[in-house]
Amino acid sequence: GAVVSQHPSRVICKSGTSVKIECRSLDFQATTMFWYRQFPKQSLMLMATSNEGSKATYEQGVEKDKFLINHASLTLSTLTVTSAHPEDSSFYICSAGGRHSYEQYFGPGTRLTVT
Amino acid sequence: AQSVTQLGSHVSVSEGALVLLRCNYSSSVPPYLFWYVQYPNQGLQLLLKYTSAATLVKGINGFEAEFKKSETSFHLTKPSAHMSDAAEYFCAVSEGGGNKLTFGTGTQLKVEL
Repeated sequence: GAVVSQHPSRVICKSGTSVKIECRSLDFQATTMFWYRQFPKQSLMLMATSNEGSKATYEQGVEKDKFLINHASLTLSTLTVTSAHPEDSSFYICSAGGRHSYEQYFGPGTRLTVT
Repeated sequence: AQSVTQLGSHVSVSEGALVLLRCNYSSSVPPYLFWYVQYPNQGLQLLLKYTSAATLVKGINGFEAEFKKSETSFHLTKPSAHMSDAAEYFCAVSEGGGNKLTFGTGTQLKVEL
């Protein structure tokens, strides 16, 4: 149980285009999902917390207009990187909240490369 | 505010030797503490967690960790390293069991023959 998937696993896009990453909880409902960014050889940095049916809460320094988050259902959250630039290249990981507030189940991550 | 410090960004051990990965935390309220493992290009897998019950916590793959409040530590150990343990390990803290996790900078474990 508690499986989280991400799609795509890898994506390469041209500078200026937008990319959408999906995060799904496959066997449970998640009212809260989290989006993290991980630079090479570094830790995970929380970008935003999304709650089903409401606006996401972004961490300080994260541009909400550039990283659009939608949590339209209890099993799906999407992250759209708009007008991507090479500096947006990174590993993006989502997680879904479990029954307890401290529980998070992580997806396998999406490697974004912007050329 | 909560924070985590992982001493040693790289740790190398011989196969069969003791594994010790260090984690110290800072939290203004009783913490919940976690160890995660990450293999290359994959997400995080929970190894074990401390949620204010027993201070010695046993996890998967033979790992365990001990919560020591006096030392604000939650070090991860395994008696005998296996080649498959080579990975990146992250310690994380949640203040009072809330949903915001703060991660340490990670420790890359290398296991040598």
